[in-house]
Amino acid sequence: QVQLQQSGPGLVKPSQTLSLTCGISGDSVSSNGAAWDWIRQSPSRGLEWLGRTYYRSRWYNEYAVSVEGRITITPDTSKNQFSLQLNSVTPEDTALYHCARDLGYLESWGQGILVTVSS
Amino acid sequence: QSALTQPASVSGSPGQSITISCTGTSSDVGAYKFVSWYQHYPGKAPKVMIYDVSIRPSGVSNRFSGSKSGNTASLTISGLQAEDEADYYCVSYTGSRYVFGTGTKVTVL
Repeated sequence: QVQLQQSGPGLVKPSQTLSLTCGISGDSVSSNGAAWDWIRQSPSRGLEWLGRTYYRSRWYNEYAVSVEGRITITPDTSKNQFSLQLNSVTPEDTALYHCARDLGYLESWGQGILVTVSS
Repeated sequence: QSALTQPASVSGSPGQSITISCTGTSSDVGAYKFVSWYQHYPGKAPKVMIYDVSIRPSGVSNRFSGSKSGNTASLTISGLQAEDEADYYCVSYTGSRYVFGTGTKVTVL
Protein backbone atom coordinates (compact mmCIF):
# COMPACT_ATOMS: atom_id res chain seq x y z
CA GLN A 1 0.00 0.00 0.00
CA VAL A 2 1.63 3.22 -1.13
CA GLN A 3 1.57 6.20 1.20
CA LEU A 4 2.19 9.79 0.20
CA GLN A 5 2.98 12.67 2.53
CA GLN A 6 3.10 16.29 1.48
CA SER A 7 5.31 18.79 3.29
CA GLY A 8 6.24 22.44 2.93
CA PRO A 9 5.32 25.93 4.09
CA GLY A 10 1.67 26.75 4.59
CA LEU A 11 2.09 30.46 3.85
CA VAL A 12 3.76 32.04 0.84
CA LYS A 13 3.96 35.72 -0.07
CA PRO A 14 2.64 36.97 -3.41
CA SER A 15 5.21 36.92 -6.24
CA GLN A 16 7.32 34.35 -4.40
CA THR A 17 7.79 30.63 -5.11
CA LEU A 18 5.63 27.89 -3.63
CA SER A 19 7.69 24.77 -2.89
CA LEU A 20 6.23 21.46 -1.73
CA THR A 21 7.59 17.95 -1.40
CA CYS A 22 5.80 14.60 -1.58
CA GLY A 23 7.46 11.71 0.23
CA ILE A 24 6.71 8.24 -1.11
CA SER A 25 6.60 4.97 0.84
CA GLY A 26 5.59 1.65 -0.64
CA ASP A 27 6.73 2.44 -4.20
CA SER A 28 9.59 4.10 -6.04
CA VAL A 29 9.55 7.48 -7.74
CA SER A 30 11.54 5.73 -10.51
CA SER A 31 8.88 3.05 -11.03
CA ASN A 32 8.31 2.23 -14.69
CA GLY A 33 4.65 1.65 -14.05
CA ALA A 34 3.66 4.85 -12.28
CA ALA A 35 3.68 8.61 -12.63
CA TRP A 36 3.67 11.11 -9.79
CA ASP A 37 1.21 13.96 -9.91
CA TRP A 38 0.31 17.20 -8.20
CA ILE A 39 -3.33 18.30 -7.94
CA ARG A 40 -4.83 21.24 -6.08
CA GLN A 41 -8.26 22.10 -4.82
CA SER A 42 -9.84 25.45 -4.13
CA PRO A 43 -13.44 26.61 -3.61
CA SER A 44 -13.32 28.65 -6.80
CA ARG A 45 -11.68 26.08 -9.10
CA GLY A 46 -12.61 22.70 -7.63
CA LEU A 47 -9.98 20.04 -8.32
CA GLU A 48 -7.28 21.07 -10.80
CA TRP A 49 -4.54 18.82 -12.18
CA LEU A 50 -1.19 20.63 -12.19
CA GLY A 51 1.30 18.20 -13.64
CA ARG A 52 3.29 15.02 -13.28
CA THR A 53 6.71 13.42 -13.58
CA TYR A 54 7.52 9.86 -14.57
CA TYR A 55 10.40 7.63 -15.60
CA ARG A 56 10.38 5.54 -18.76
CA SER A 57 14.08 5.03 -19.53
CA ARG A 58 14.36 8.77 -19.02
CA TRP A 59 12.44 11.38 -17.06
CA TYR A 60 9.35 13.06 -18.50
CA ASN A 61 7.25 15.97 -17.26
CA GLU A 62 3.79 17.07 -18.32
CA TYR A 63 2.13 20.24 -17.06
CA ALA A 64 -1.32 21.82 -17.16
CA VAL A 65 -1.70 24.67 -19.61
CA SER A 66 -3.00 26.89 -16.80
CA VAL A 67 0.34 26.82 -14.94
CA GLU A 68 2.81 26.03 -17.71
CA GLY A 69 5.75 28.39 -17.55
CA ARG A 70 5.44 28.76 -13.77
CA ILE A 71 5.61 25.13 -12.67
CA THR A 72 8.42 22.63 -12.22
CA ILE A 73 8.02 19.09 -10.88
CA THR A 74 11.26 17.36 -9.98
CA PRO A 75 11.95 13.81 -8.84
CA ASP A 76 14.51 13.07 -6.14
CA THR A 77 15.56 9.44 -6.40
CA SER A 78 17.95 9.63 -3.43
CA LYS A 79 15.07 10.51 -1.08
CA ASN A 80 12.29 8.75 -3.01
CA GLN A 81 10.22 11.88 -3.28
CA PHE A 82 9.17 14.49 -5.79
CA SER A 83 8.66 18.19 -5.49
CA LEU A 84 6.51 20.98 -6.83
CA GLN A 85 7.70 24.51 -7.48
CA LEU A 86 5.23 27.16 -8.57
CA ASN A 87 6.69 30.57 -9.32
CA SER A 88 5.21 34.06 -9.15
CA VAL A 89 2.27 33.02 -7.00
CA THR A 90 -0.82 35.15 -6.48
CA PRO A 91 -3.71 34.78 -4.03
CA GLU A 92 -5.43 32.69 -6.74
CA ASP A 93 -2.85 29.96 -6.03
CA THR A 94 -4.22 29.54 -2.52
CA ALA A 95 -5.41 25.94 -2.38
CA LEU A 96 -5.15 22.52 -0.80
CA TYR A 97 -2.31 20.78 -2.66
CA HIS A 98 -2.32 16.99 -3.07
CA CYS A 99 0.23 14.62 -4.51
CA ALA A 100 -0.91 11.35 -6.05
CA ARG A 101 0.34 8.13 -7.60
CA ASP A 102 -0.82 7.86 -11.20
CA LEU A 103 -1.33 4.43 -12.73
CA GLY A 104 -3.25 5.81 -15.68
CA TYR A 105 -5.65 7.11 -13.07
CA LEU A 106 -5.03 8.78 -9.70
CA GLU A 107 -4.88 5.64 -7.64
CA SER A 108 -3.51 6.92 -4.29
CA TRP A 109 -3.60 10.42 -2.87
CA GLY A 110 -1.89 12.23 -0.05
CA GLN A 111 -4.11 13.99 2.49
CA GLY A 112 -3.14 17.38 1.14
CA ILE A 113 -1.45 20.48 2.46
CA LEU A 114 -3.10 23.89 2.64
CA VAL A 115 -1.03 26.67 1.11
CA THR A 116 -2.17 30.26 1.52
CA VAL A 117 -0.75 33.04 -0.62
CA SER A 118 -0.88 36.25 1.36
CA SER A 119 1.35 39.11 2.41
CA GLN B 1 -7.67 23.12 -21.73
CA SER B 2 -11.21 23.68 -20.46
CA ALA B 3 -12.64 21.73 -17.57
CA LEU B 4 -15.04 18.93 -18.39
CA THR B 5 -18.68 19.84 -17.78
CA GLN B 6 -20.61 18.16 -15.00
CA PRO B 7 -23.97 19.09 -13.46
CA ALA B 8 -23.45 21.11 -10.30
CA SER B 9 -25.76 18.89 -8.29
CA VAL B 10 -27.72 15.65 -8.52
CA SER B 11 -30.03 14.28 -5.87
CA GLY B 12 -31.97 11.12 -5.23
CA SER B 13 -33.78 9.19 -2.54
CA PRO B 14 -32.28 6.15 -0.83
CA GLY B 15 -32.52 3.12 -3.08
CA GLN B 16 -32.87 5.13 -6.28
CA SER B 17 -30.35 5.32 -9.11
CA ILE B 18 -28.70 8.51 -10.25
CA THR B 19 -26.42 9.29 -13.17
CA ILE B 20 -23.77 11.99 -13.35
CA SER B 21 -22.66 13.14 -16.78
CA CYS B 22 -19.23 14.39 -17.77
CA THR B 23 -19.06 16.16 -21.12
CA GLY B 24 -15.81 16.89 -22.88
CA THR B 25 -14.66 17.03 -26.46
CA SER B 26 -13.26 14.81 -29.19
CA SER B 27 -9.79 15.71 -27.86
CA ASP B 28 -10.30 14.28 -24.39
CA VAL B 29 -13.31 12.17 -23.34
CA GLY B 30 -14.12 11.22 -26.92
CA ALA B 31 -10.56 10.33 -27.81
CA TYR B 32 -9.39 8.10 -24.98
CA LYS B 33 -10.58 5.28 -22.76
CA PHE B 34 -8.80 6.98 -19.84
CA VAL B 35 -11.77 8.44 -18.00
CA SER B 36 -11.90 8.04 -14.23
CA TRP B 37 -14.28 9.09 -11.46
CA TYR B 38 -13.45 10.22 -7.91
CA GLN B 39 -15.52 10.48 -4.76
CA HIS B 40 -14.54 13.34 -2.49
CA TYR B 41 -15.64 14.01 1.05
CA PRO B 42 -14.65 17.48 2.29
CA GLY B 43 -11.38 17.42 4.16
CA LYS B 44 -10.42 13.96 2.91
CA ALA B 45 -8.36 12.70 0.01
CA PRO B 46 -10.39 11.86 -3.12
CA LYS B 47 -10.97 8.17 -3.82
CA VAL B 48 -11.08 6.57 -7.27
CA MET B 49 -14.39 4.83 -7.94
CA ILE B 50 -14.06 4.04 -11.66
CA TYR B 51 -11.11 4.07 -14.06
CA ASP B 52 -10.65 3.37 -17.77
CA VAL B 53 -14.32 4.39 -18.29
CA SER B 54 -15.91 1.39 -16.59
CA ILE B 55 -13.45 -0.54 -14.41
CA ARG B 56 -14.13 -0.66 -10.70
CA PRO B 57 -11.09 -0.90 -8.40
CA SER B 58 -11.02 -3.65 -5.84
CA GLY B 59 -13.08 -2.70 -2.82
CA VAL B 60 -15.43 -0.30 -4.58
CA SER B 61 -19.08 -1.22 -4.36
CA ASN B 62 -20.66 -2.69 -7.50
CA ARG B 63 -23.38 -0.06 -7.09
CA PHE B 64 -21.00 2.24 -8.95
CA SER B 65 -20.69 1.85 -12.71
CA GLY B 66 -19.26 3.88 -15.56
CA SER B 67 -19.85 4.23 -19.27
CA LYS B 68 -19.06 6.48 -22.20
CA SER B 69 -20.78 7.52 -25.39
CA GLY B 70 -19.04 9.89 -27.74
CA ASN B 71 -17.74 12.89 -25.83
CA THR B 72 -19.78 12.18 -22.70
CA ALA B 73 -18.89 9.83 -19.87
CA SER B 74 -21.32 8.86 -17.13
CA LEU B 75 -21.18 7.57 -13.58
CA THR B 76 -24.24 5.72 -12.29
CA ILE B 77 -24.85 5.06 -8.63
CA SER B 78 -27.56 2.47 -8.08
CA GLY B 79 -29.25 1.69 -4.78
CA LEU B 80 -28.34 5.13 -3.48
CA GLN B 81 -27.20 5.18 0.16
CA ALA B 82 -26.67 7.98 2.65
CA GLU B 83 -22.91 7.37 2.56
CA ASP B 84 -22.88 8.20 -1.16
CA GLU B 85 -23.51 11.86 -0.37
CA ALA B 86 -20.28 13.50 -1.52
CA ASP B 87 -18.71 15.42 -4.38
CA TYR B 88 -17.86 13.48 -7.53
CA TYR B 89 -15.32 14.46 -10.18
CA CYS B 90 -14.53 12.98 -13.56
CA VAL B 91 -11.05 13.11 -15.07
CA SER B 92 -9.98 12.53 -18.65
CA TYR B 93 -6.58 12.10 -20.22
CA THR B 94 -5.97 14.46 -23.15
CA GLY B 95 -2.88 12.95 -24.72
CA SER B 96 -0.36 14.81 -22.63
CA ARG B 97 -2.34 16.13 -19.67
CA TYR B 98 -5.27 15.36 -17.44
CA VAL B 99 -8.36 17.55 -17.16
CA PHE B 100 -10.83 17.45 -14.29
CA GLY B 101 -14.56 17.90 -14.44
CA THR B 102 -16.30 20.77 -12.70
CA GLY B 103 -17.59 18.47 -9.96
CA THR B 104 -21.06 17.30 -8.93
CA LYS B 105 -22.52 17.39 -5.46
CA VAL B 106 -24.64 14.33 -4.82
CA THR B 107 -27.34 14.75 -2.21
CA VAL B 108 -29.27 11.86 -0.74
CA LEU B 109 -32.73 13.12 0.13
